[in-house]
Amino acid sequence: GAGVSQSPSNKVTEKGKDVELRCDPISGHTALYWYRQSLGQGLEFLIYFQGNSAPDKSGLPSDRFSAERTGGSVSTLTIQRTQQEDSAVYLCASSRDRGTEAFFGQGTRLTVV
Amino acid sequence: KQEVTQIPAALSVPEGENLVLNCSFTDSAIYNLQWFRQDPGKGLTSLLLIQSSQREQTSGRLNASLDKSSGRSTLYIAASQPGDSATYLCAVGGFIRSGNTGKLIFGQGTTLQVKP
Repeated sequence: GAGVSQSPSNKVTEKGKDVELRCDPISGHTALYWYRQSLGQGLEFLIYFQGNSAPDKSGLPSDRFSAERTGGSVSTLTIQRTQQEDSAVYLCASSRDRGTEAFFGQGTRLTVV
Repeated sequence: KQEVTQIPAALSVPEGENLVLNCSFTDSAIYNLQWFRQDPGKGLTSLLLIQSSQREQTSGRLNASLDKSSGRSTLYIAASQPGDSATYLCAVGGFIRSGNTGKLIFGQGTTLQVKP
C-alpha cells in the first residue's frame, strides 16, 4: 500500500478483555516496529521485527503483551487481560531495511475502561 | 543503555524567526538519526534521515546536522511559519555495539509554537 495502515483506529475495551491491533506495513519493507505513546509522553519501544531474524522483544512491558508478524508482512500486537494502564496510542512503523527511513501509521488509540 | 534527550521541551517563537532544536544521545555507535514531526492526535511524519556517515541533510527550510562523536544533532528551521507548529521528535537508530537491532530510540520531543 501507499503507507503504513493500522486498524482499528480506535478501540474501547473492558478491563480484563484481550485485544488485537493490526499493522499493515509498506509493501516490501522488511523492518517493522511497534511503539506505545501514553498521553503527553514520548514513544516507548515495544518490539522490532527485521526480516527472518528473531524479533527484538526487549520493550514488551509484561508477558500480557505479544506480537507476531506473518509471512514477513502483516503484524498483530496482542494484549491479554487488558489493564487501565494499557490505555495509550499504539503506533506501528516500517522501513525498507535496518538503518533506512522509518514510516509510521496513524496509530490505534486504545482505551481500557 | 542509549538515552536520547531533547532540549528545549517547549519553544514559542514569532513567525519568521529562525530556530534550532537540539537532540543529544549517550551512545555514539548508531546507524542513523531521524527527525519526525507529530501533529496533535496524529502519527509521526518523517522529516529527515541522516546516516551515520553523513554530517547533514536538508529538505526545504529544514536542515539537520549530526555530530556522532559528541552525540549531538540539531534541526534548524528557517523562516518559521505557523504551520510549523507541532512536536518535533528525534530518534536514533541501530546500535552497532549490539550488532543486530535496528530499533529506534526516541527523545521526549520539543513542542514548537509559531505565533502569527
